[in-house]
Amino acid sequence: EVQLVESGGGLVQPGGSLRLSCEASGLAVSSNYMSWVRQAPGKGLEWVSVIYSGGIIYYADSVKGRFTISRDSSKDTVYLQLSSLRAEDTAIYYCARDMGGVVTATPLFAFDLWGQGAMVTVSS
Amino acid sequence: QSALTQPRAVSGSPGQSVTISCIGSSSDIGGYNYVSWYQQHPDKAPKLIIYNVSKRPSGVPDRFSGSKSGNTASLTISGLQAEDEADYYCCSYAGSYTYVIFGGGTRLTVL
Repeated sequence: EVQLVESGGGLVQPGGSLRLSCEASGLAVSSNYMSWVRQAPGKGLEWVSVIYSGGIIYYADSVKGRFTISRDSSKDTVYLQLSSLRAEDTAIYYCARDMGGVVTATPLFAFDLWGQGAMVTVSS
Repeated sequence: QSALTQPRAVSGSPGQSVTISCIGSSSDIGGYNYVSWYQQHPDKAPKLIIYNVSKRPSGVPDRFSGSKSGNTASLTISGLQAEDEADYYCCSYAGSYTYVIFGGGTRLTVL
C-alpha cells in the first residue's frame, strides 16, 4: 500500500525548534515532488514547502529562512526542520505527494497522496 | 499573495447540484491550467477530487466536475449525497515564486 506517515509533532515554546518526518511506503521520495502543507486549527490549507525529485526546493514566504526541507532517499523519508517557531506556526502539518511524479515528468501542482498529519503546537 | 476567494458556505438538498466558485487573478488561476480541488471531512486529511481544472483522479465519481473561466474556477457537485458534506478547497499554481495557493475553503452542508 502506498502511504505517507508523519511523525515528530509536539508542543514547543516560541523560538524553539522541531523536526517533522514523513516516511513513505510504496514510493520513492527521490522520484517524486514532495510537499508540506499545514492547516492551523479551524483554518484553511496553506502550502509550506516542496522538494523536487531533482532537488529544487521552494518555500512559502511565511516560513522562508526558518524552515528547511530535506530528504533521505535511503530511508524514503522527507523532513521539515522548523526553527524560530512562532505561535502562528501552530498547525497540523501534512506531507503530500504531487501526482506529477506519477503521471508526468513534471509537477502537476495537485496533491494526490497525503499523510495523516502531525500536530505542532507553539506555546509557552 | 492572498488566498483564493471562496464562499464560506454553500448548501443543497440530496439530489440537487451545487457550484463552488474560486476567484483568483491572472497570476494564478487565470495564468495556468493547474487548478485542483480537495474534499476534507472533519479530522481527516484532504482528498484530491479534481486536477488540471477538470480532470478526475481514478475513483472520484463523475458527479464531481471542474471548470475555469478567466480568473475564476468552479467545482460543481451534482446529485448531492449526504457523504458530500465536507469542506472543499481550491488550489492553483501561482508561478515559481509563490508556487501554489489555496482558497479559504467552503463548507458544504447537505440539507
